[in-house]
Amino acid sequence: EAGVVQSPRYKIIEKKQPVAFWCNPISGHNTLYWYLQNLGQGPELLIRYENEEAVDDSQLPKDRFSAERLKGVDSTLKIQPAELGDSAVYLCASSLASGRQTGELFFGEGSRLTVL
Amino acid sequence: GENVEQHPSTLSVQEGDSAVIKCTYSDSASNYFPWYKQELGKRPQLIIDIRSNVGEKKDQRIAVTLNKTAKHFSLHITETQPEDSAVYFCAASKGKSTFGDGTTLTVKP
Repeated sequence: EAGVVQSPRYKIIEKKQPVAFWCNPISGHNTLYWYLQNLGQGPELLIRYENEEAVDDSQLPKDRFSAERLKGVDSTLKIQPAELGDSAVYLCASSLASGRQTGELFFGEGSRLTVL
Repeated sequence: GENVEQHPSTLSVQEGDSAVIKCTYSDSASNYFPWYKQELGKRPQLIIDIRSNVGEKKDQRIAVTLNKTAKHFSLHITETQPEDSAVYFCAASKGKSTFGDGTTLTVKP
């Protein structure tokens, strides 16, 4: 069974440029998460989807970040414009659990962003 | 919101020794407590988890204990091996997971 797939694995851009990350979750996983991981820190939730609905986006900096999950499968996370402080690893994860239930998160390899 | 604190931030042990990592959480409604292992440059992967209706769970050399009253849970690794070297993250969850900042475990041969 294929795991969570993310692309690109690495991206280097100059500040103020836009960037987009793509995630394909495990088939059948209705819940999808985007996490931000800074060096030496744990993942921090940006947004959680159940099917195509964003059920928790309270930590998403909406002035520059946006996300979508059309048709409840693949998801895209966009940053526009990027700032130096956005340099981090962006992790996508999916899960079978939904609603108030929580279960194992299956993570992708992550997209490492460097903003110059 | 939930706040998870993890200690120690780094841990170095000799091969064969035991390692213990501790986490505390703030939200008494959290009901699921997973532990993830992340090797350098790799994705986090679940190694063990425990739900709030259980006090202890063991899987071969790893075990997790949960004290709901004190709101803390711990990961125990016995007979450590060099391949156990990695960053370990705890999390407290109720619908979404809040992670600790990780513990870098180094097992010296």
